[in-house]
Amino acid sequence: QQQVKQSPQSLIVQKGGISIINCAYENTAFDYFPWYQQFPGKGPALLIAIRPDVSEKKEGRFTISFNKSAKQFSLHIMDSQPGDSATYFCAASRPGNNRKLIWGLGTSLAVNP
Amino acid sequence: SAVISQKPSRDICQRGTSLTIQCQVDSQVTMMFWYRQQPGQSLTLIATANQGSEATYESGFVIDKFPISRPNLTFSTLTVSNMSPEDSSIYLCSVDEGADTQYFGPGTRLTVL
Repeated sequence: QQQVKQSPQSLIVQKGGISIINCAYENTAFDYFPWYQQFPGKGPALLIAIRPDVSEKKEGRFTISFNKSAKQFSLHIMDSQPGDSATYFCAASRPGNNRKLIWGLGTSLAVNP
Repeated sequence: SAVISQKPSRDICQRGTSLTIQCQVDSQVTMMFWYRQQPGQSLTLIATANQGSEATYESGFVIDKFPISRPNLTFSTLTVSNMSPEDSSIYLCSVDEGADTQYFGPGTRLTVL
């Protein structure tokens, strides 16, 4: 079963708009939630990550919002730019088990100029 | 973050042959991971390779098909054995530098004819 559910599968946003990608998880033992950005032909790059002791983390135009009670977290990209067009993956991990990441299925973001 | 390189970046191979993919890191890391990613899809963990111990394989992946070496703290190899067209994929290595964060190499694009 999919332990981390990501939506939407694809997203089209106008330049300057806000891109929002959502993820939901089931395992309450998860305590680390990263977001990765992947451009075609490249490996995933860590964008931003959060732990459940905070509800929000912001780095530049990228913000993670975290709702522990709802078991949901989301990525907000403010002032979206064409250069943000990429595939975004959310993931989660828990203590032990080699800290392996459980991945969402990805969201393909296209930012129109 | 660690700088990770992979060789080869891409290859086209005949079915029944084997390919060894190398992953080199510019710093010493305990944990390295090998993933497979089909185009347009999410990442699937093949195995975790800790230096000094046998690799731990995920369900659906076996050592005979994907033997892994981890001779030191900066290097690992993944071999794709007896290849078939179904093995055509992108193979990625990643490292955990600590703090539960994984950083990825650029990937190896494998096509099996």
